Amino acid sequence: AQTVTQSQPEMSVQEAETVTLSCTYDTSESNYYLFWYKQPPSRQMILVIRQEAYKQQNATENRFSVNFQKAAKSFSLKISDSQLGDTAMYFCAFFATSGTYKYIFGTGTRLKVLA
Amino acid sequence: GAGVSQTPSNKVTEKGKYVELRCDPISGHTALYWYRQSLGQGPEFLIYFQGTGAADDSGLPNDRFFAVRPEGSVSTLKIQRTERGDSAVYLCASSLGLAGEQFFGPGTRLTVL
Repeated sequence: AQTVTQSQPEMSVQEAETVTLSCTYDTSESNYYLFWYKQPPSRQMILVIRQEAYKQQNATENRFSVNFQKAAKSFSLKISDSQLGDTAMYFCAFFATSGTYKYIFGTGTRLKVLA
Repeated sequence: GAGVSQTPSNKVTEKGKYVELRCDPISGHTALYWYRQSLGQGPEFLIYFQGTGAADDSGLPNDRFFAVRPEGSVSTLKIQRTERGDSAVYLCASSLGLAGEQFFGPGTRLTVL
C-alpha cells in the first residue's frame, strides 16, 4: 500500500521569502504522479504543481518548483517570493497510473505567510 | 458548469438521521470520486465511479455509506443512521478518464449533532 508523509504540520514564512515544504512517500509502483494541492479556507482543492515519476526534470510553475528525488522517495515543494495569498493548507498527493486510480494524500502542512 | 459543484455547501443533521450529498461533475468527465476529509487530516478515498458503475468502493467505512451515479453524471453519496464520527468535509472530484487529473469540488461540510 502507498503512504504519503508530511512531517511539518505548520510552517510560517515572511512575505517575499522562500519556503520549502517536505513530503515523502512509499510505494512499490514504478509509474505514478505526485501532486501538491493548495486548500485555502474556502475548502477548494487547487492544483499547484504535478510531477510524473518517469520525468527526471523537476517540475516548475512560476514561483512554485519541486525537488523530486525518486530513489529517496522525496517530493518537496519550494515556494519563492512568498505572497500573502499563499497562506493555506498544502497537501502532497500520490497517484498510481495503474490499479488503484485514487489519490493518496498526506496530512497536510499549514503555511502562513507573514506580512 | 465550469467546475465540479457540490450541494449543499453545509449540512447539519442529528445523530441517527439520513443524509444525501450531491456532486455535479465537469461535463464529459467519465470518472467521479468521493473523498472524506476529517478535521486536520488530508482527504481519504471513499469510492470512485467509471461511468455508472462503482469501480472501487473499498474506502467506504461501513454499510451505512452508499453512493450512486445512475446516469453516469451526477452522483449522490448517501449516509444512513448518521453518527457524530461522520462529521467531516466530503469532497467530490471528477476526471476525463481514470488516469486523468482530478478536479475537485468545494466540498460539503457535514456536521452531525
